[in-house]
Amino acid sequence: GAVVSQHPSWVICKSGTSVKIECRSLDFQATTMFWYRQFPKQSLMLMATSNEGSKATYEQGVEKDKFLINHASLTLSTLTVTSAHPEDSSFYICSAREDANTEAFFGQGTRLTVV
Amino acid sequence: AQTVTQSQPEMSVQEAETVTLSCTYDTSESDYYLFWYKQPPSRQMILVIRQEAYKQQNATENRFSVNFQKAAKSFSLKISDSQLGDAAMYFCAYRSSPRQGAQKLVFGQGTRLTINP
Repeated sequence: GAVVSQHPSWVICKSGTSVKIECRSLDFQATTMFWYRQFPKQSLMLMATSNEGSKATYEQGVEKDKFLINHASLTLSTLTVTSAHPEDSSFYICSAREDANTEAFFGQGTRLTVV
Repeated sequence: AQTVTQSQPEMSVQEAETVTLSCTYDTSESDYYLFWYKQPPSRQMILVIRQEAYKQQNATENRFSVNFQKAAKSFSLKISDSQLGDAAMYFCAYRSSPRQGAQKLVFGQGTRLTINP
């Protein structure tokens, strides 16, 4: 399958700072990328869907000003957690797909710890 | 809105035996896709198997097969000859077809599968 690379794999940041997570499609052009959040022993919760060159569509209850998503190119989407707080600590996963007729492939995930 | 339900939080099976994981879903759409994903301890999501709703034939991938019952809205995963490497969290997921509905994956709650040596 296609490769989606997510970076960093883990990050620790201080409360009040911002942290950026990158999601790259390495061998295909991703018109759509998805960002998920996963709490321990729980399922994946979709946060937002981003299409290249347009604004992300956020799921209900997700603060768009806190979780900034940028999808400026066909191979890169970024999630920036602004003014992070301990409750933002979680596992964040991205997925990317080439078009609506193809499968979405997942990145390795990023464990964020806010101290 | 579509929902996916996995009623078995945990399952265990002896190595080399067969295990079936259950999944039911709710939708008013006629055309859609169903998936089973595996999430091992590394937490990398891995696609195990995919089923198109318009296909009557159940999908199979080596030791993995599904029992797709469209009328009952049931989509179970059978793992034959279970191996230690099959131990993981398994998620059932639903996605609308490109011709209708949102293109996001809707996940079930997950089933943690343990393989006993």
